[in-house]
Amino acid sequence: DAGITQSPRHKVTETGTPVTLRCHQTENHRYMYWYRQDPGHGLRLIHYSYGVKDTDKGEVSDGYSVSRSKTEDFLLTLESATSSQTSVYFCAISGTGPRSDNVLTFGAGSRLTVL
Amino acid sequence: QKEVEQDPGPLSVPEGAIVSLNCTYSNSAFQYFMWYRQYSRKGPELLMYTYSSGNKEDGRFTAQVDKSSKYISLFIRDSQPSDSATYLCAMSAGYGNKLVFGAGTILRVKS
Repeated sequence: DAGITQSPRHKVTETGTPVTLRCHQTENHRYMYWYRQDPGHGLRLIHYSYGVKDTDKGEVSDGYSVSRSKTEDFLLTLESATSSQTSVYFCAISGTGPRSDNVLTFGAGSRLTVL
Repeated sequence: QKEVEQDPGPLSVPEGAIVSLNCTYSNSAFQYFMWYRQYSRKGPELLMYTYSSGNKEDGRFTAQVDKSSKYISLFIRDSQPSDSATYLCAMSAGYGNKLVFGAGTILRVKS
């Protein structure tokens, strides 16, 4: 997980509360991603960023928002957490170019439980 | 139907066995194929990367792509207990296209 730090690593919260997960990279990579991982579904893309203040939706973006004010930080926010958002969240980074943008480096994950 | 299908296992084998992990896909535009390995409570890490059809070997690991059948495989020779992990296939149509992951296969190698 060198170069990527996720925080918090574990969080338990209640339905309806806001939650923010942080991803910090020291690799100066352009692309940053947020995935969630659930049994039977594998990794599903929530949102991604291709530069400061440039973000786009993934396949499961409903209920999530993101922000990227600096190259090194990518925040994932659940405005009002629901039990269906209980999951393990992974941040990933990649470079640019025909090969580099397919090669993701993942963080260690943030385990979120919504009661 | 999912774009990428992967048998979730778990697959349990004795130490030293040859392991075959497989994925099928439906999108004929996929050109880049990857295998990621994920240990328990860790993030996935890239294990193998191949472009288009053919084989690629790296130590005990061989990745095989058959685009005509839309089928990719990962072979592990002389499997070790340290190979116990979840293996995720991933694929992309190319630059600017997002990776699509399989659900992952849990592998257990018994000593």
